[in-house]
Amino acid sequence: SAVISQKPSRDICQRGTSLTIQCQVDSQVTMMFWYRQQPGQSLTLIATANQGSEATYESGFVIDKFPISRPNLTFSTLTVSNMSPEDSSIYLCSASEGNTEAFFGQGTRLTVV
Amino acid sequence: KNEVEQSPQNLTAQEGEFITINCSYSVGISALHWLQQHPGGGIVSLFMLSSGKKKHGRLIATINIQEKHSSLHITASHPRDSAVYICAVTDSNYQLIWGAGTKLIIKP
Repeated sequence: SAVISQKPSRDICQRGTSLTIQCQVDSQVTMMFWYRQQPGQSLTLIATANQGSEATYESGFVIDKFPISRPNLTFSTLTVSNMSPEDSSIYLCSASEGNTEAFFGQGTRLTVV
Repeated sequence: KNEVEQSPQNLTAQEGEFITINCSYSVGISALHWLQQHPGGGIVSLFMLSSGKKKHGRLIATINIQEKHSSLHITASHPRDSAVYICAVTDSNYQLIWGAGTKLIIKP
């Protein structure tokens, strides 16, 4: 099974700044996903990132706010731009080969002050 | 109605008790996942199931495909098991659908 290394594990950021979260997979995977968990809520899909194409964003999420890169089959980044306290959440990446297997990062706890 | 429902939402138990957390789903799935989220937010994948039963240490996960139901059991529970346990399913489009989580507190 694949292992995903997600960094940073936590950060405290000033409002108006941006944070980039990285996920590195130890094997090639077709699909990568980014999720957000706001306080007291369940995980919500932000976007699907497939290598070689633009990320597909879910309703309520836009590329200007959450730009995603997927330069190759083992790596992806999510940037939270122009942060406000409402962006304080846990962000999680996962990866899938399109079969039953899904692999998860460790999550990034973001606090915006 | 959510496609993945967990029960109970909150569970408090004494150390040593046998714990059961349930997950029911209403969509066709290719796999079901159990994850543990620590109080600091860190997430650990516990099990991935497509049938039957898996055991890892004091943790046991079962799934009944016909009944669209899975259970996570913890034997001889310990305060360090205190966490949020999340059920998620991979649907037929390989998308993950998440349960709301069960917050477990084990008192010494």
